[in-house]
Amino acid sequence: EVQLVESGGGLVQPGGSLKLSCAASGFTFSSYGMSWVRQTPDKRLELVATINSNGGSTYYPDSVKGRFTISRDNAKNTLYLQMSSLKSEDTAMYYCAREGLRRPFAYWGQGTLVTVSA
Amino acid sequence: NIVLTQSPASLAVSLGQRATISCRASESVDSYGNSFMHWYQQKPGQPPKLLIYLASNLESGVPARFSGSGSRTDFTLTIDPVEADDAATYYCQQNNEDPFTFGSGTKLEIK
Repeated sequence: EVQLVESGGGLVQPGGSLKLSCAASGFTFSSYGMSWVRQTPDKRLELVATINSNGGSTYYPDSVKGRFTISRDNAKNTLYLQMSSLKSEDTAMYYCAREGLRRPFAYWGQGTLVTVSA
Repeated sequence: NIVLTQSPASLAVSLGQRATISCRASESVDSYGNSFMHWYQQKPGQPPKLLIYLASNLESGVPARFSGSGSRTDFTLTIDPVEADDAATYYCQQNNEDPFTFGSGTKLEIK
């Protein structure tokens, strides 16, 4: 069974940094692209980062480019999201998601909550 | 960016009746003979769950009451017949063009 478990969320001040982790199990982690998707308090969903299976290719939308960095450790079956220069609009539930065949977000974790506030 | 407009924002459907949710894309999401449109269901306190991929393909384990149709810019999710467990918010999502984008959601209430 595919399992994705996020951790690392919490309360951070504007301008601060936070690193999220996603522990994967139940599948061959190194064979799949992974993403971070966030859901804002108004329930809007937004892709924030994508990484391919070997970590050699990443993508970020303009809203987080230069502030967020996605990475992975295939030996530890773990996905990461380093977030810096955080803004109040980054407040959201952050989900990690695994791709499937012809499906960008086939499996989702339960999420970790990030709150950016003074 | 491709904007996905869902309608209605909310709807209430009686048990056993049909629910129809629309998703309109600001430009075509078709490429290489596929429509890169997907549908998700989200219940309170849970992550989104994939229901339909590539516009009309039912994800494994999803009841056949759910179906998807459409191409290019106009897509529909149909639930027929609706059951009490279908009360949720439904989102469309495209991955034909970066950045992948989501619709704003349709909240389904069961009467």
